[in-house]
Amino acid sequence: AQSVTQLGSHVSVSEGALVLLRCNYSSSVPPYLFWYVQYPNQGLQLLLKYTSAATLVKGINGFEAEFKKSETSFHLTKPSAHMSDAAEYFCAVTASWFGNEKLTFGTGTRLTIIP
Amino acid sequence: DTGVSQDPRHKITKRGQNVTFRCDPISEHNRLYWYRQTLGQGPEFLTYFQNEAQLEKSRLLSDRFSAERPKGSFSTLEIQRTEQGDSAMYLCASRHRDSVPHNEQFFGPGTRLTVL
Repeated sequence: AQSVTQLGSHVSVSEGALVLLRCNYSSSVPPYLFWYVQYPNQGLQLLLKYTSAATLVKGINGFEAEFKKSETSFHLTKPSAHMSDAAEYFCAVTASWFGNEKLTFGTGTRLTIIP
Repeated sequence: DTGVSQDPRHKITKRGQNVTFRCDPISEHNRLYWYRQTLGQGPEFLTYFQNEAQLEKSRLLSDRFSAERPKGSFSTLEIQRTEQGDSAMYLCASRHRDSVPHNEQFFGPGTRLTVL
């Protein structure tokens, strides 16, 4: 079974400051990990994903995440926040075996950018 | 590639009524998924189709819920005898025929259901 814990349901940062959104996972098999972003009244858009090829993963809009197996973490970062980054962010996990189809999401972190 | 579309975008109904939602996946995506997202929560898996076959259902999918994908293209999700607890955003996603689990699921904009 897989699960995801996102620490901090709300995070506020100043424009231009570092963004850090935390995600810890639990998985009985090697995981694949994802970060999705959701803007109000819209569906989810993939930011980046970890598929075991590289532990530091770069995504769209300047976001990146590092897979740390020893810490069971996959935290999302961005060096400099923009106003347009204000949204809800979801970490998700799936098991890396053939035939698995289900994504398990965390409860989300709402990111607010302070001008 | 026009993306995953869902209809309607919003639905308000009275308790006890039946509702049906439609999802049109990206063409050539043979995998289609339904998720439910309640306020303040992440999406929760409901069910998934490979072509027209429904291969997995969550325990969240009570007997009042039924999903179909009759021709392996669009899908419908029906909720019978709606309850206030059914109020949520219902998200549809699709994925390319490649079976690798880390391939991206593309999400639609969702149908927001409000049960009065």
